[in-house]
Amino acid sequence: QSALTQPASVSGSPGQSITISCIGSSSDIGGYNFVSWFQQHPGKAPKLTIYDVSNRPSGVSNRFSGSKSGNTASLTISGLQADDEADYYCSAHTSSSTWVFGGGTKLTVL
Amino acid sequence: QVQLQESGPGLVKPSQTLSLTCTVSGGSISSGSYYWSWIRQPAGKGLEWIGRIHTRGSTNFNPSLKSRVNMSLDTSRNRFSLNLSSVTAADTAVYYCAREDYASSSVDPWGQGTLVTVSS
Repeated sequence: QSALTQPASVSGSPGQSITISCIGSSSDIGGYNFVSWFQQHPGKAPKLTIYDVSNRPSGVSNRFSGSKSGNTASLTISGLQADDEADYYCSAHTSSSTWVFGGGTKLTVL
Repeated sequence: QVQLQESGPGLVKPSQTLSLTCTVSGGSISSGSYYWSWIRQPAGKGLEWIGRIHTRGSTNFNPSLKSRVNMSLDTSRNRFSLNLSSVTAADTAVYYCAREDYASSSVDPWGQGTLVTVSS
């Protein structure tokens, strides 16, 4: 299985919005509404931020939103804050009943 | 709330078997419908899904690791385990355990992670 494709880095200023893309195939992102996003601060375990494409777990800010179009999923963070600076990973269920992660995107808040 | 904690040797010799345990507290691993998963992360690199075991014992593994991976449940001790055989330096990573919901893509909570180094 091939890793999902994410940009290596994105950046934005406080208060702005950014979007991180996650490109897969019809065998993963395009085939199921089982896409998740995780936020990871340095030295910490990943934290579930979005699941099932667009659902937010309890306690996650509504500044985080997810969407999907075809084989591409996206994570949008609005009203950027300093604490949003972290690595972000997408993951998707595959047709082989496995999971695949993206390579990760480093978000820098300028 | 449910919490997960990884444990096991921090150093494993090449060609040997890496064995880790994830102890679950605040809930039973045999109740509900969940997968219990392992994910790893080499230093400075991204996340890699290793595999999962269902509450009823069925498993799914990353195809790239399938020939070397085994997972099991220990319901009496409320924990689950990972065995990865014939390890090399490429298996050096932080290993995380996590709970995956059966009917969604929710993977939560995660353990704090444990570093395993493969070296002689």
